[in-house]
Amino acid sequence: EAGVTQFPSHSVIEKGQTVTLRCDPISGHDNLYWYRRVMGKEIKFLLHFVKESKQDESGMPNNRFLAERTGGTYSTLKVQPAELEDSGVYFCASSQEQLGGLYGYTFGSGTRLTVV
Amino acid sequence: GQQLNQSPQSMFIQEGEDVSMNCTSSSIFNTWLWYKQDPGEGPVLLIALYKAGELTSNGRLTAQFGITRKDSFLNISASIPSDVGIYFCAGYDTGTASKLTFGTGTRLQVTL
Repeated sequence: EAGVTQFPSHSVIEKGQTVTLRCDPISGHDNLYWYRRVMGKEIKFLLHFVKESKQDESGMPNNRFLAERTGGTYSTLKVQPAELEDSGVYFCASSQEQLGGLYGYTFGSGTRLTVV
Repeated sequence: GQQLNQSPQSMFIQEGEDVSMNCTSSSIFNTWLWYKQDPGEGPVLLIALYKAGELTSNGRLTAQFGITRKDSFLNISASIPSDVGIYFCAGYDTGTASKLTFGTGTRLQVTL
């Protein structure tokens, strides 16, 4: 079974530019999550999709971040315009169960975003 | 929001030594999880704890869910080079839907 796939693995962009991150969850997993780790800090929840619907987007930092999951398969996270503080590693995770946090999700390898 | 304080931040140990790290919270969690992140990879679940006082082992790893439900520890016995990585605790509260609250991580380096 293929795991959670994220790309790109690395992205370096200039402040003010736009970047789109993509996540392909494990096939059949309705629940998809985005998390972010800013250097040296905790991994922080951004949002949770159930199929194509946003179940919880309480962790999204501001309106420069837009997440979509059209068709309930892969998801994209767009940052526009990017700021320096957006630098970090963005993780995607998926689970079959709605209460995925209870049993632990499967994480992707992450996208390391550097805004210069 | 909920915060987890994880310590130590980093550890440098020799191969064969035992390691202990812990996590404390100001609020109660119903589930504690421990993850490990290898360099360039995403976090991988090591151990999940579901009951206060529970002690669970997974090979050389042992984790406990504190009685107060506000803390957890992870022990690694007889460390080996492949134990290198960042260890994260995470708490889950049924009141927070499906999201996990993570600690800041403990970076473990093992020298030969």
